[in-house]
Amino acid sequence: GQQVMQIPQYQHVQEGEDFTTYCNSSTTLSNIQWYKQRPGGHPVFLIQLVKSGEVKKQKRLTFQFGEAKKNSSLHITATQTTDVGTYFCAGRGGSNYKLTFGKGTLLTVNP
Amino acid sequence: DTEVTQTPKHLVMGMTNKKSLKCEQHMGHRAMYWYKQKAKKPPELMFVYSYEKLSINESVPSRFSPECPNSSLLNLHLHALQPEDSALYLCASSRGTGDYEQYFGPGTRLTVT
Repeated sequence: GQQVMQIPQYQHVQEGEDFTTYCNSSTTLSNIQWYKQRPGGHPVFLIQLVKSGEVKKQKRLTFQFGEAKKNSSLHITATQTTDVGTYFCAGRGGSNYKLTFGKGTLLTVNP
Repeated sequence: DTEVTQTPKHLVMGMTNKKSLKCEQHMGHRAMYWYKQKAKKPPELMFVYSYEKLSINESVPSRFSPECPNSSLLNLHLHALQPEDSALYLCASSRGTGDYEQYFGPGTRLTVT
């Protein structure tokens, strides 16, 4: 079945440092979505990427979808304490209804 | 209104109890989902409803029984659960089952004693 690997599992940074999390799929994806879950909270949708090589930006967050549509990354520039949480990628392959979530990257930020 | 609501927030039940979790959305979404999430793990899909019909059951044990009474409501009936079923149960909805973002509710924190 479809698998989505995500690294790193944990990342601790000093406030102001950059942060990147990476996702790799075992199969070609029709789309990839990114979610953020604050401690004690629920996943909140951040963005969806659909096109090969797509890059989208939201303020300090940059999302990329690989040319082969099998990998993706989320980069945060100059982290803030409000960025703390677990970032999940989730991919869907072909006609499969199911979103397969990566294991998530827990980001902690030292003020 | 972009909110998915879930009740109750917390639930403690014994292994012989029967209880139900409720989920509601008023965004006109036609797909609704139940996920189970253990601590420090990603959400794990349990069921998908599309246009009020069950379209995916991820081989979930029969002690979990979903129900979709109408397009806004989703229930999860629980019976004879095991302690290992303790988890955060998340409901989500989306416009459809295609390339649409999912909106998650706050979840029900379930403890089985």
